Amino acid sequence: QSVLTQPPSVSGAPGQRVTISCTGTSSNLGAGYAVHWYQQLPGIAPKLLIYDNNNRPSGVPDRFSGSKSGTSASLDITGLQAEDEADYYCQSFDISLSGWVFGGGTKLTVL
Amino acid sequence: EVQLVESGGGLEQPGGSLRLSCAASGFTFSSFAMTWVRQAPGKGLEWVSGIIGSGVRTYYADSVKGRFTISRDNSRNTLYLQMNSLRGEDTAVYHCAKFRGYCSEATCYYMDVWGKGTTVTVSS
Repeated sequence: QSVLTQPPSVSGAPGQRVTISCTGTSSNLGAGYAVHWYQQLPGIAPKLLIYDNNNRPSGVPDRFSGSKSGTSASLDITGLQAEDEADYYCQSFDISLSGWVFGGGTKLTVL
Repeated sequence: EVQLVESGGGLEQPGGSLRLSCAASGFTFSSFAMTWVRQAPGKGLEWVSGIIGSGVRTYYADSVKGRFTISRDNSRNTLYLQMNSLRGEDTAVYHCAKFRGYCSEATCYYMDVWGKGTTVTVSS
């Protein structure tokens, strides 16, 4: 059972918008620690998608955006494309565990 | 180009040991904290261990504490993970990753570059 909670799956049609949620506790997101997001395409190593709640590394399309409030965070993907089909993970730091934690991952299916 | 290449994975019996290596290039290795993250077959990402740039401070997930040891050789630009008392649940692809932080504290770290991983299988 992951420390950060994500829905197992989400789906959307090409061109639509989807949102992936990430729920934490007072030991991680609620303690003020930032959330970061990773994209893992099938059979490939994870790739940093969003850091520090809402910042995109160079090369990441602005269709991807993030937000955080209290113990919750979300990743928004607009203008869905077939190539966005992947697993998405949120990550933060947990003060109780004295280490870094991931969400269980959300599989995005583009219909 | 920043690159991380893991090696050392393989098949090991329960109770056995393995040492993973991660060769880094394209950045000043000693300036960055590093970490190991694993992914069991069909499962999600699990953080395993981390080490700051100087090597003087290390972090471990409860699931590996007392069995795994992370270390680094900054002269060789290499990160290591010594895995002892291996269990079936340690079977996974092990990725090394470079930490980057939005502030100077470890609590701010995220993984900005990942290696492709090395596969560890623990089975009799």
